[in-house]
Amino acid sequence: NAGVTQTPKFQVLKTGQSMTLQCAQDMNHNSMYWYRQDPGMGLRLIYYSASEGTTDKGEVPNGYNVSRLNKREFSLRLESAAPSQTSVYFCASSEGLSGTNYGYTFGSGTRLTVV
Amino acid sequence: KQEVTQIPAALSVPEGENLVLNCSFTDSAIYNLQWFRQDPGKGLTSLLLIQSSQREQTSGRLNASLDKSSGRSTLYIAASQPGDSATYLCAADNYGQNFVFGPGTRLSVLP
Repeated sequence: NAGVTQTPKFQVLKTGQSMTLQCAQDMNHNSMYWYRQDPGMGLRLIYYSASEGTTDKGEVPNGYNVSRLNKREFSLRLESAAPSQTSVYFCASSEGLSGTNYGYTFGSGTRLTVV
Repeated sequence: KQEVTQIPAALSVPEGENLVLNCSFTDSAIYNLQWFRQDPGKGLTSLLLIQSSQREQTSGRLNASLDKSSGRSTLYIAASQPGDSATYLCAADNYGQNFVFGPGTRLSVLP
């Protein structure tokens, strides 16, 4: 029972490099989310996808792009990484948006360091 | 935008004690509220989801209540154990779109 799978688990980037964080869920969930977690800042929403084919900005979208490749997969791309993007990134999924009586299931996270 | 706060920020208790963690949110018209547990260096594990029509939910030694009118939720942990040591996060619905998280309460249960 995999749930939400994130890859990679750890990554070190140099400033200016690009990379894509992958997220896949096997629960047939409609909605998917990307959060970042920083000490003292808690979890903040970067982007979310209510359903396949749709994406919306969250609280901190600058410097990121997303792709909802299909119902299972939701990727997060850093085009030109900056030290301020050093963080732990979490992907979550749910059957529906937060107003539809469904909660989140989280992946185990990606620890990203930008040097 | 929904804002969520949690009190206390940290709590240390002896094993066996009953304890209460508090969560407050600014927009009382929420649909749902979810409590999570996070162990150091790990992801978030869902504990309880309180839906809009419910006032509380229970799972084992955990009980979460929701008072939408006052903008508060509490997580009650009975007979605490060292294995309960973790950070507890509450997340409140943000206008039906996504969840906004509180900063968490770091709990230490001492043997």
